[in-house]
Amino acid sequence: GESVGLHLPTLSVQEGDNSIINCAYSNSASDYFIWYKQESGKGPQFIIDIRSNMDKRQGQRVTVLLNKTVKHLSLQIAATQPGDSAVYFCAENNNAGNMLTFGGGTRLMVKP
Amino acid sequence: EAQVTQNPRYLITVTGKKLTVTCSQNMNHEYMSWYRQDPGLGLRQIYYSMNVEVTDKGDVPEGYKVSRKEKRNFPLILESPSPNQTSLYFCASRSGQGENTIYFGEGSWLTVV
Repeated sequence: GESVGLHLPTLSVQEGDNSIINCAYSNSASDYFIWYKQESGKGPQFIIDIRSNMDKRQGQRVTVLLNKTVKHLSLQIAATQPGDSAVYFCAENNNAGNMLTFGGGTRLMVKP
Repeated sequence: EAQVTQNPRYLITVTGKKLTVTCSQNMNHEYMSWYRQDPGLGLRQIYYSMNVEVTDKGDVPEGYKVSRKEKRNFPLILESPSPNQTSLYFCASRSGQGENTIYFGEGSWLTVV
């Protein structure tokens, strides 16, 4: 079946460095992708999204890149801070109007 | 304040004893959904609803029921809970198909013994 998945279950970075979290998807019909951040004991929190007609979108300290050719999505966090420590999920929304299909998540650990 | 509210937040119950996890949103959203989150499996969709009286199965609907009698509420019903339904459950909502931001509740920890 089609799925969304992540390459790395855990990513450890030094405070101040840039972080890159990757995600692969296999549903070519998906037209919308979202990154979520989930802190311990809380629900997922929206970070940034991108539609399939775009390659790149920037937010505050975060950038999402979409490569439709290889069905790859990435989240870049600039100047990573301790508060960025969390589990990050990519999610896709297909054209059927269903809600989201989530990847398995990557844990980002920021070392002071 | 925009909110998705789930109750209970924590529950330990016994196998076979029916329970309901309520979900309510105050944003007049059309779309609502239930997910369960398990270690190594991420968030998996149980059921979703595109509007009042419209519900559809997600990826893992077995053992669950839902209802959408009014827009603000989307309860998750476990008619006969089993230990494999021990999980962290999230309710979510958004305003419509074109709306990007999805709001999640704080989660409900359910343990079935």
